[in-house]
Amino acid sequence: EAQVTQNPRYLITVTGKKLTVTCSQNMNHEYMSWYRQDPGLGLRQIYYSMNVEVTDKGDVPEGYKVSRKEKRNFPLILESPSPNQTSLYFCASMRRPGEDSGRVNEQFFGPGTRLTVL
Amino acid sequence: AQRVTQPEKLLSVFKGAPVELKCNYSYSGSPELFWYVQYSRQRLQLLLRHISRESIKGFTADLNKGETSFHLKKPFAQEEDSAMYYCALSPPYSSASKIIFGSGTRLSIRP
Repeated sequence: EAQVTQNPRYLITVTGKKLTVTCSQNMNHEYMSWYRQDPGLGLRQIYYSMNVEVTDKGDVPEGYKVSRKEKRNFPLILESPSPNQTSLYFCASMRRPGEDSGRVNEQFFGPGTRLTVL
Repeated sequence: AQRVTQPEKLLSVFKGAPVELKCNYSYSGSPELFWYVQYSRQRLQLLLRHISRESIKGFTADLNKGETSFHLKKPFAQEEDSAMYYCALSPPYSSASKIIFGSGTRLSIRP
């Protein structure tokens, strides 16, 4: 089954304790992205990756790191989490923006990771 | 600047009433436009795309290049339409830029 998976689904941690949220897709997609969703602010992009070893900042990258060593994985790293990073995080993947001119590119989202930083 | 604007954070209508969720975009070129939906406790999923010109769950959206809008419409709202709706823009072929989402509109259907 084609899907995007995230782990963990729920995480409660304390300020300053490094954590990693994993994201994996089995669709051989080139494009992957991380978003955070907060009430009243909607969906905001943290980082995205156009391909292996190619990453770029989204709208709210501060306090986050990512890596893209393999095509299928795109982990989100919080080196020193703070309470303002308490949020619902979504990973998404897509074949490649604009690829196959005339066809539409759909983003596939993971189930979300609810993170609480105390 | 490249931007997707959804002016309404919350839209509340009665069941059976018409619904219109607004989306305006700013992009130099011919992007592809989408609507994504997130039902309660579920992941985001694609609702419809401008290029397909289809109707999904009674929703339609027409791309108006002159007004740079892609409003989502449904003639008769149903309670199960209550959800968070995001308008999104994808760059055209050969562009390396990112996908852009609007801030979302929460649609609430009152019985």
